[in-house]
Amino acid sequence: QKEVEQDPGPLSVPEGAIVSLNCTYSNSAFQYFMWYRQYSRKGPELLMYTYSSGNKEDGRFTAQVDKSSKYISLFIRDSQPSDSATYLCAILNTGGFKTIFGAGTRLFVKA
Amino acid sequence: DAGITQSPRHKVTETGTPVTLRCHQTENHRYMYWYRQDPGHGLRLIHYSYGVKDTDKGEVSDGYSVSRSKTEDFLLTLESATSSQTSVYFCAISEENTGELFFGEGSRLTVL
Repeated sequence: QKEVEQDPGPLSVPEGAIVSLNCTYSNSAFQYFMWYRQYSRKGPELLMYTYSSGNKEDGRFTAQVDKSSKYISLFIRDSQPSDSATYLCAILNTGGFKTIFGAGTRLFVKA
Repeated sequence: DAGITQSPRHKVTETGTPVTLRCHQTENHRYMYWYRQDPGHGLRLIHYSYGVKDTDKGEVSDGYSVSRSKTEDFLLTLESATSSQTSVYFCAISEENTGELFFGEGSRLTVL
């Protein structure tokens, strides 16, 4: 079993839709959860960072962590064509200071 | 920009030849990482470094070696390239307080 599981998609939505991206993880000791966004032929960039359980909001983006079910979510409201990218969930394993990534979900937002 | 450069950005080579990819940072960060990215697998850690001459293996280290003789440079070597090593390779540095990763632009390697 992979430490972080993520459906690779692709996911195609119309402009203005609410997008929900999800990951599950296996190790209940993990505490630091991240979402990276990667545009085509570029390196990933940090989008959201969450410590432990709960929600974090930044503009149109909301990151949610449910530690009881080991579930990580990213919600995008009023999606725009510029949101078209690959979204990777990630977990920081503080033992060794290594980040573990999900497979990434490719999102297309159509105008 | 985080001050990370990778070279070469593109390389085509033949099976059995050695290949070295270079990562250079100007941020003086202690932690540096090499990942490979393949469709359906996301980013997988190859090797990482936590200081000069201090390196450790990641998830997919077989067939790869690394060296770090200076803080700013982290080299990834494929001693004898195979077609299964065709991939996009990303170098990253880590913000030590938060663990946030900053990535280079990637090096696209094709092994024929």
